[in-house]
Amino acid sequence: GAGVSQSPSNKVTEKGKDVELRCDPISGHTALYWYRQRLGQGLEFLIYFQGNSAPDKSGLPSDRFSAERTGESVSTLTIQRTQQEDSAVYLCASSSGGLQETQYFGPGTRLLVL
Amino acid sequence: SQQGEEDPQALSIQEGENATMNCSYKTSINNLQWYRQNSGRGLVHLILIRSNEREKHSGRLRVTLDTSKKSSSLLITASRAADTASYFCATAGSSYKLIFGSGTRLLVRP
Repeated sequence: GAGVSQSPSNKVTEKGKDVELRCDPISGHTALYWYRQRLGQGLEFLIYFQGNSAPDKSGLPSDRFSAERTGESVSTLTIQRTQQEDSAVYLCASSSGGLQETQYFGPGTRLLVL
Repeated sequence: SQQGEEDPQALSIQEGENATMNCSYKTSINNLQWYRQNSGRGLVHLILIRSNEREKHSGRLRVTLDTSKKSSSLLITASRAADTASYFCATAGSSYKLIFGSGTRLLVRP
């Protein structure tokens, strides 16, 4: 079956602009995760959805970051007033919903803020 | 902050040799997972070992877990050029979060 998909694959934007990143999880997966990966580093947890609700948003770096999920499927991560330090690969993962279940990752969106 | 620390940070071996990567973590865990990442993009899940397990095999992969030392190792036997990638350990505690280490970059020379 289809895996996790993300769009766009790459995004170049100017400092101060808003960007919206999209994630389509595996069908039927109730849990969805967003991570950020800076160059040469490991993954940094941002936010987790169980269904449409986000029990923990504490990983979001600032109030410029927000995420939503509708219909227990697609999620969007929005970064407002982008800064150069937001440049990274943003990865989305989904799982069947149980705690500590295997997470299946999308290919990521590479964001470059000029 | 990162929970896991992998070592070495980078490893270069000849095709056919074995590659061993280590991961240390700080807090109690429910399970530990290893992922592979090619070219800085999506991660592929390799293997999950639960806290009550000591060793697990999957094909050419062997993972060990020592909860008393809070460490794990990933062994890739008979390496191939296609194994060239970054390898990450990730720990799962009592919550939904996976905490990733900083990764080991493996280069397998043909």
